[in-house]
Amino acid sequence: TQLLEQSPQFLSIQEGENLTVYCNSSSVFSSLQWYRQEPGEGPVLLVTVVTGGEVKKLKRLTFQFGDARKDSSLHITAAQPGDTGLYLCAGAGGTDSWGKLQFGAGTQVVVTP
Amino acid sequence: ETGVTQTPRHLVMGMTNKKSLKCEQHLGHNAMYWYKQSAKKPLELMFVYSLEERVENNSVPSRFSPECPNSSHLFLHLHTLQPEDSALYLCASSQDIVNSPLHFGNGTRLTVT
Repeated sequence: TQLLEQSPQFLSIQEGENLTVYCNSSSVFSSLQWYRQEPGEGPVLLVTVVTGGEVKKLKRLTFQFGDARKDSSLHITAAQPGDTGLYLCAGAGGTDSWGKLQFGAGTQVVVTP
Repeated sequence: ETGVTQTPRHLVMGMTNKKSLKCEQHLGHNAMYWYKQSAKKPLELMFVYSLEERVENNSVPSRFSPECPNSSHLFLHLHTLQPEDSALYLCASSQDIVNSPLHFGNGTRLTVT
């Protein structure tokens, strides 16, 4: 079983601050997806990273895939209350066959005004 | 109509009851999934259907019984559940089962008393 570890488990910050959450594994993935889940809703895909070393930006969110395709990070600049949610990473295409997604346990982010 | 719709949103059932969860997707996807989400744990994949055929049964107890009558509908039949089965049950769909991003419903919050 491939394990995706996310850190920290919980993060509480003030509006306007920056934050980074991490997703690490000992396994190599062909791609990695980041989702955000708001209270009472299902996870929503934010981005997919495919190439080792790839950096993708989505407004104030910056996603990076590690060179070895074993880890990823999500950086949020000038966080806003609307960024509050559970951030999940999911790796695909590991040794577990047919591209089944392996999810981490998530980082709960709370941004207070 | 939103992409993936789940009903009911909340369900409370006794250990001897029989109930069903329903999921419908309006995205024209070929694959559908049931996931279990418990606090502070990674999403647990329960069942996968591709073109109405079950391709994954992730060692799920027989008290959970899936049904996929067509590519747009997915059910999860529940009977004689245990209190530890209380969780958020998420349905998802994807274009296909290999490395495609998932589109989730908003889940059914199940409480077993």
